[in-house]
Amino acid sequence: AQSVAQPEDQVNVAEGNPLTVKCTYSVSGNPYLFWYVQYPNRGLQFLLKYITGDNLVKGSYGFEAEFNKSQTSFHLKKPSALVSDSALYFCAVTLIKAAGNKLTFGGGTRVLVKP
Amino acid sequence: DTAVSQTPKYLVTQMGNDKSIKCEQNLGHDTMYWYKQDSKKFLKIMFSYNNKELIINETVPNRFSPKSPDKAHLNLHINSLELGDSAVYFCASSQEWGGQDQETQYFGPGTRLLVL
Repeated sequence: AQSVAQPEDQVNVAEGNPLTVKCTYSVSGNPYLFWYVQYPNRGLQFLLKYITGDNLVKGSYGFEAEFNKSQTSFHLKKPSALVSDSALYFCAVTLIKAAGNKLTFGGGTRVLVKP
Repeated sequence: DTAVSQTPKYLVTQMGNDKSIKCEQNLGHDTMYWYKQDSKKFLKIMFSYNNKELIINETVPNRFSPKSPDKAHLNLHINSLELGDSAVYFCASSQEWGGQDQETQYFGPGTRLLVL
């Protein structure tokens, strides 16, 4: 079974400050990890993913995430947050199998960036 | 040139009715999915189809029946709607095999279903 935990329901940060959204996962095998963002009344937008290679992956809108195998974590970071980054962020994990590609999502973390 | 589109965007209906949600992708992907997002924003996969073949069926009531007429379309039909079916339903697609974009699922805008 695979699972994802996002320990913070909400993260508040001042504009211009660093933003971190935490994610830990549990899978039996090598994980493929994703971050998605959901703006109010919108669908999920893909931000970035880790498949293999460098542990630090860069994605859209200045976001990056670091894969840490020993801590089974994949935290999302942005050096300088913008008010427009306020949204709901989802971490997700999957294992690629012949039978399909099932994304298991964390519960989501709401990010509020204050001016 | 929307990549993954869903219709309708909003759906308000009475308990007991039958309704369908349509999904189309123009990305040339071979795998499509349905996810349900509940009122607490929790997302869970319902179904996955690869080239019109059902791959994943996650303990979803029989009232929910996906249909894939071709690999670009995956529709969701719901019979005898219940209050608990109220949620946002997201369609997604991905390229199952090959290419740098493999495994990445792209989501539609969602269909907000309200059962009264």
